[in-house]
Amino acid sequence: NAGVTQTPKFRVLKTGQSMTLLCAQDMNHEYMYWYRQDPGMGLRLIHYSVGEGTTAKGEVPDGYNVSRLKKQNFLLGLESAAPSQTSVYFCASSYRQGLTGELFFGEGSRLTVL
Amino acid sequence: TQLLEQSPQFLSIQEGENLTVYCNSSSVFSSLQWYRQEPGEGPVLLVTVVTGGEVKKLKRLTFQFGDARKDSSLHITAAQTGDTGLYLCAIKTDSWGKLQFGAGTQVVVTP
Repeated sequence: NAGVTQTPKFRVLKTGQSMTLLCAQDMNHEYMYWYRQDPGMGLRLIHYSVGEGTTAKGEVPDGYNVSRLKKQNFLLGLESAAPSQTSVYFCASSYRQGLTGELFFGEGSRLTVL
Repeated sequence: TQLLEQSPQFLSIQEGENLTVYCNSSSVFSSLQWYRQEPGEGPVLLVTVVTGGEVKKLKRLTFQFGDARKDSSLHITAAQTGDTGLYLCAIKTDSWGKLQFGAGTQVVVTP
């Protein structure tokens, strides 16, 4: 079972370059999320989607864009990378349900911006 | 935004010892989740607690939800090296399933 798959796993960018992180889930989940994880700060929500064709801002959306053209895929884009975006990015998905639902995470994508 | 505080930030113990980590908030929350994250992996759900005063056991792990639903603890009995990881508590902030995480407690269990 693949679950949640993120590509690429590692990437090094120069300041100003652009890139896209791809998240794919095979569990037919409605909800998908992008988080970033930085030392001492836990996981912070960047953007999320509650269904195909929908996206919404999370806690730290600046500098990122997202798209959910297909239910199983959630893309995170950086148009002009900055060193402050050096982080580990996690995609997650969940069923459409109430307050106690479980999030299923990918293995993470480590991004370094020089 | 509710702030979740986890303590301690780091804990190093030897195999066989017990440990407790804490998650606290100034606000009441309806439910709380505990996740464990191993190096190079994403977080994995351990348990969800929903009722004030609730105690849940998962093998050697005991989770407690405070009576006032503002705090929770995770106790590990006779820790093993496989318990090494980052323990994160999280609460849902709305019906869209968004989670707010604490900063985590890094637990290292040495042989």
